[in-house]
Amino acid sequence: AAGVIQSPRHLIKEKRETATLKCYPIPRHDTVYWYQQGPGQDPQFLISFYEKMQSDKGSIPDRFSAQQFSDYHSELNMSSLELGDSALYFCASSNMGGNYGYTFGSGTRLTVV
Amino acid sequence: AQTVTQSQPEMSVQEAETVTLSCTYDTSESDYYLFWYKQPPSRQMILVIRQEAYKQQNATENRFSVNFQKAAKSFSLKISDSQLGDAAMYFCAYTLSGTYKYIFGTGTRLKVLA
Repeated sequence: AAGVIQSPRHLIKEKRETATLKCYPIPRHDTVYWYQQGPGQDPQFLISFYEKMQSDKGSIPDRFSAQQFSDYHSELNMSSLELGDSALYFCASSNMGGNYGYTFGSGTRLTVV
Repeated sequence: AQTVTQSQPEMSVQEAETVTLSCTYDTSESDYYLFWYKQPPSRQMILVIRQEAYKQQNATENRFSVNFQKAAKSFSLKISDSQLGDAAMYFCAYTLSGTYKYIFGTGTRLKVLA
């Protein structure tokens, strides 16, 4: 069965650089979510999109932006990277909101040096 | 503020034994959903079990079951006949109906001893 695909799997960037993370949800899932998980931390909600419109927003820095495209894939853009942005970034998708559970991708490990 | 608390940072269980992971949450809403997710070393989050707040019956998925106490805002996970493959971080989470985000607890690391 198709899963949530995230790319790249690993990414190393220098401070002040820009990073773009991509997420391809499960076909026919209408909602995409982005989470940030710092080392030894629980996942923190960043932002979600329902049918290509932003549906909810969490503690996402102003340096970050995200969008969902017509083919339902989503991208998380992070600019002016800081050392503290080093984390695992998860994308997840679901159908009809999150009431029935998410399917998560394998995450992108971002390291800022 | 809506919070999820997992008071056990780490638990150990002998293979084939039973272990219970604790979770409490705080919300003033009545319509919500609760989840347990497993995160193995491969790091992908996997849904273990789900509970609807309006259902009194505790959810069960094979060796996994929950003890849902709505009045106490408690949602514990019981793993029976523990297997080595159950070793992972376990996160409790909830979402309010009609919203598009989960609130996660801080996780419990489960070790399974052979």
